[in-house]
Amino acid sequence: KNEVEQSPQNLTAQEGEFITINCSYSVGISALHWLQQHPGGGIVSLFMLSSGKKKHGRLIATINIQEKHSSLHITASHPRDSAVYICAVSSGGSNYKLTFGKGTLLTVNP
Amino acid sequence: DTAVSQTPKYLVTQMGNDKSIKCEQNLGHDTMYWYKQDSKKFLKIMFSYNNKELIINETVPNRFSPKSPDKAHLNLHINSLELGDSAVYFCASSSLTGNIQYFGAGTRLSVL
Repeated sequence: KNEVEQSPQNLTAQEGEFITINCSYSVGISALHWLQQHPGGGIVSLFMLSSGKKKHGRLIATINIQEKHSSLHITASHPRDSAVYICAVSSGGSNYKLTFGKGTLLTVNP
Repeated sequence: DTAVSQTPKYLVTQMGNDKSIKCEQNLGHDTMYWYKQDSKKFLKIMFSYNNKELIINETVPNRFSPKSPDKAHLNLHINSLELGDSAVYFCASSSLTGNIQYFGAGTRLSVL
């Protein structure tokens, strides 16, 4: 079992819909990261959070440390949001390696 | 100006060859990373360097040797390439270990 589990694996939505992608982890972490990988392959960091909630434009990320769970929400989704969304955790200490989930492929249809 | 740049973008080579992938960042970051993304798109850390010193070596075969001549560069040299090395390799950097990471565009390695 992967230390970081994402759901769903695949998600298809209509333009304008509210999207939620979930991430659960089984290890102690110092921070959780949400990343976006576009069809062209480039990877962009969206958020890094260790508590509470962060918002950037139409994207909102939340984390519940007690429940070891994070969600990424996209409001008013648009076809350009189509990408793979990847959750990753860093464990802190002297070893800040990122451990990744398998990603969620989001397709937003016009 | 690209923040994290990798070269080459594509690399096609024969089994048994030795090849290098270069990575440079102009963000003034202290920490650089190499990740491997397999055919199922799963990302895994390979190495991390902080100020030219190796801090993470994630059970990668010793055919892979990272080299950091200065904190702005982290190159990846691969000896005796095998079919299973075919993947996309991403370089990344961050300002402090564990901070937000900035990724290069990736190098798609195909071993024939």
